[in-house]
Amino acid sequence: GAVVSQHPSWVICKSGTSVKIECRSLDFQATTMFWYRQFPKQSLMLMATSNEGSKATYEQGVEKDKFLINHASLTLSTLTVTSAHPEDSSFYICSARTGTLYGYTFGSGTRLTVV
Amino acid sequence: QQQVKQSPQSLIVQKGGIPIINCAYENTAFDYFPWYQQFPGKGPALLIAIRPDVSEKKEGRFTISFNKSAKQFSLHIMDSQPGDSATYFCAAKDAGNMLTFGGGTRLMVKP
Repeated sequence: GAVVSQHPSWVICKSGTSVKIECRSLDFQATTMFWYRQFPKQSLMLMATSNEGSKATYEQGVEKDKFLINHASLTLSTLTVTSAHPEDSSFYICSARTGTLYGYTFGSGTRLTVV
Repeated sequence: QQQVKQSPQSLIVQKGGIPIINCAYENTAFDYFPWYQQFPGKGPALLIAIRPDVSEKKEGRFTISFNKSAKQFSLHIMDSQPGDSATYFCAAKDAGNMLTFGGGTRLMVKP
């Protein structure tokens, strides 16, 4: 089945630094990838939609200068959290449309802790 | 407004019981309704999904019931096992291929 590989699975960084999270589609081409944020015991909140070769579309309230998304190839999308602060600590999850009818697959998530 | 309301927030059943999780939506343009299972520290995994032209779908121990007129759908887990303990999310897809998630249900199945 379609697999999305997300790395790293967890990361700890200092305030003010930047962190990059990668999301790769392993056995299919993903023209569209989605980035979600999930706080403890809460649902997934869509942050942005990235399309290969074009600018990402951000949801209302998401700072695009803080959460930089790059989707330079059909198999790789990256999310960079710039100048991270403790309030950015969260679980970040990527997802991709698999190309099958209505199919979506999710990465395993990245736990970001900013200290 | 695109919303999917999910209930209950948490649920405890005994092994072998049949937990039922309910979701309701407003947007009649939604055209795909998946259910996801999420274990702590992991991404969601697709369990089962249904289209609005079908009233019921069963895959293994998981069944979706769909009521288009009421704009409601539910997940039933037959013969639940402790390994089913997880958080379950319903979702709905719109014509723009965006998924809107319900708030989640934390299920605990006691041995």
